[in-house]
This record gives sequence, C-alpha cells and structure tokens, in this order.
Amino acid sequence: AQSVTQLDSHVSVSEGTPVLLRCNYSSSYSPSLFWYVQHPNKGLQLLLKYTSAATLVKGINGFEAEFKKSETSFHLTKPSAHMSDAAEYFCVVTLKAAGNKLTFGGGTRVLVKP
Amino acid sequence: DAGVIQSPRHEVTEMGQEVTLRCKPISGHDYLFWYRQTMMRGLELLIYFNNNVPIDDSGMPEDRFSAKMPNASFSTLKIQPSEPRDSAVYFCASSLSASAGAEQYFGPGTRLTVT
Repeated sequence: AQSVTQLDSHVSVSEGTPVLLRCNYSSSYSPSLFWYVQHPNKGLQLLLKYTSAATLVKGINGFEAEFKKSETSFHLTKPSAHMSDAAEYFCVVTLKAAGNKLTFGGGTRVLVKP
Repeated sequence: DAGVIQSPRHEVTEMGQEVTLRCKPISGHDYLFWYRQTMMRGLELLIYFNNNVPIDDSGMPEDRFSAKMPNASFSTLKIQPSEPRDSAVYFCASSLSASAGAEQYFGPGTRLTVT
C-alpha cells in the first residue's frame, strides 16, 4: 500500500522569505512523486515530479524538491516566496504496482504575508 | 489546446434530484479520471477510464454514482438521487498514459451543492 503525509496543514511565510512544505511517503516499492498546486477556485497544476532520475527536481515558478529515500521524504522548497504562491499544495505518490493511481496528501495551505 | 473542460462550473440542486457532470478531456489523451474533493476526505479518485473503458471504479462511493465515457472526447459522472453529503468539488483529469510519472491534467472542477 502507498500513502503520503503532509506534515503541515497550513504554512505562513512573509514575501521574500523561504518556503518549506514537508511531505513523507510510505511505499513498498520505488514510487513516483509529484507536487501539485491548486489556486483558489482552480484545478490542480503540476509543479514538478520525481520518477527515479535525479533526486533533486526543479519545477516551475522557482520551486524544487529533493527525494530522500533514507528519510522517505519529498519536501518542496522555494528560496523566496511571492504573493502569487499563496495556494494549496498537494504531495502525491503513485506506484506502477498500484496501476499508477495517484494518492494525494491532505494538502498544505500557504499564506504569504506582504 | 483548451485543456480539460468541465461543465457546469457550479451546480446547486435539491436532495433527490439527478445531477450530471460533464468532462471533455484533452484531445489525444487515452486516460480520464474523476476525482472528488471535500474538506473531510481531501482528494479521492472515483473512477478512471482507458480508451473509453472503465478500468477501476473502486472509488465510486455507492450505486447512486455512475460514470460513462461514450467516446474519446466526452465523459459524464451522474449522481441519482443526489444527497447533501455529495456536496463537493468534482474534478476531471486526463493523461496520455498511466505510466509512472505521467502527468495528469486537471479541469477547473464542478462545485456541487446539494441542499
């Protein structure tokens, strides 16, 4: 079975400061991992993905994530938050053995203060 | 490309009524997914299709829910009869494949309110 836990339901940062969104996964096999972002009243948009290539993955809008197998983590970071980063972020795991069905974390809502 | 298109964007209906949600996937995508998003349960996969054939409907909550994909460019999710606990945002997504790492493209969602 696969599962994913986002450790913070809400994160508040000031504009221009770093953002860290934490994600831990549980999987018996090598997973594929994604981060999606959902802006208010919009659908989900892919930020980045890990599929067993480079462990440090760069995505859109300055975000990146590092896959750490020893820690079963896939934390999302951005060095400098922008007001437009205010949204909800979902960490997602999928396994080929599970038919590549996406399993979503509970989401982290990011608030960016001016 | 217009992306995944869903209609209606908002639906308000009374308990007991039939509700039909519609989705047009991205042209050329062989996989179509229906998700439900609620505060209590987060995002859940309801059902997905490959080449118009339902592959996994284990997430469909009960017999009141049904989904069809009569052709490659159209899918419906029907709730009959609807209940207040069905109130949620329903997303449709499509992808080129179901291989590991395949990106799913999401529509804007349909916000359903059942009173």
